[in-house]
Amino acid sequence: GDSVTQMEGPVTLSEEAFLTINCTYTATGYPSLFWYVQYPGEGLQLLLKATKADDKGSNKGFEATYRKETTSFHLEKGSVQVSDSAVYFCALISPANYGGSQGNLIFGKGTKLSVKP
Amino acid sequence: DGGITQSPKYLFRKEGQNVTLSCEQNLNHDAMYWYRQDPGQGLRLIYYSQIVNDFQKGDIAEGYSVSREKKESFPLTVTSAQKNPTAFYLCASMGQGATNTEAFFGQGTRLTVV
Repeated sequence: GDSVTQMEGPVTLSEEAFLTINCTYTATGYPSLFWYVQYPGEGLQLLLKATKADDKGSNKGFEATYRKETTSFHLEKGSVQVSDSAVYFCALISPANYGGSQGNLIFGKGTKLSVKP
Repeated sequence: DGGITQSPKYLFRKEGQNVTLSCEQNLNHDAMYWYRQDPGQGLRLIYYSQIVNDFQKGDIAEGYSVSREKKESFPLTVTSAQKNPTAFYLCASMGQGATNTEAFFGQGTRLTVV
């Protein structure tokens, strides 16, 4: 079945460091890809998305490019801030994966990012 | 404003009791989902519904029940059969069309068994 694999955390960085969180996927058909962010005690918020190959999603200095050839959607930010400390989830929506035990909205396990001043 | 609302934010339950968590959306979304999140863990799918009056079990449906009588509402009941119900519960909704390809989440309900 479809799946998302993202790097294990936690990731600890100093302020202004470069961030990469790796995400790879397995899917039939042509999924849409997402990064969500979760701040402590809250629900998930959409950070960015890409709906077709070679699309680049970007928001708040974060970027990710939909790479079909490597089935990847790595999250990057050039200079992290303390306020970026959160849990980041990579996800896909797979139109073909209907009716199974995961439905068509599939998440990775999340990566906790801590940014220190 | 359109959105998805979970209530209550905090819920306490005695052992052996059933409890129902509310999830309401006014986004006109067809699909709705319930997830469980344990401390430091990812999301695990409990149930989902792609259309009114229909729903499917997720990976951890045992001890939970749902209904989808209205498009806007997808309540989750945590039954006494759920042996370890203390967790953070998240509800999500999603459109089904080609232009509605993102999921929106509620703020979550933290359930504690006392």
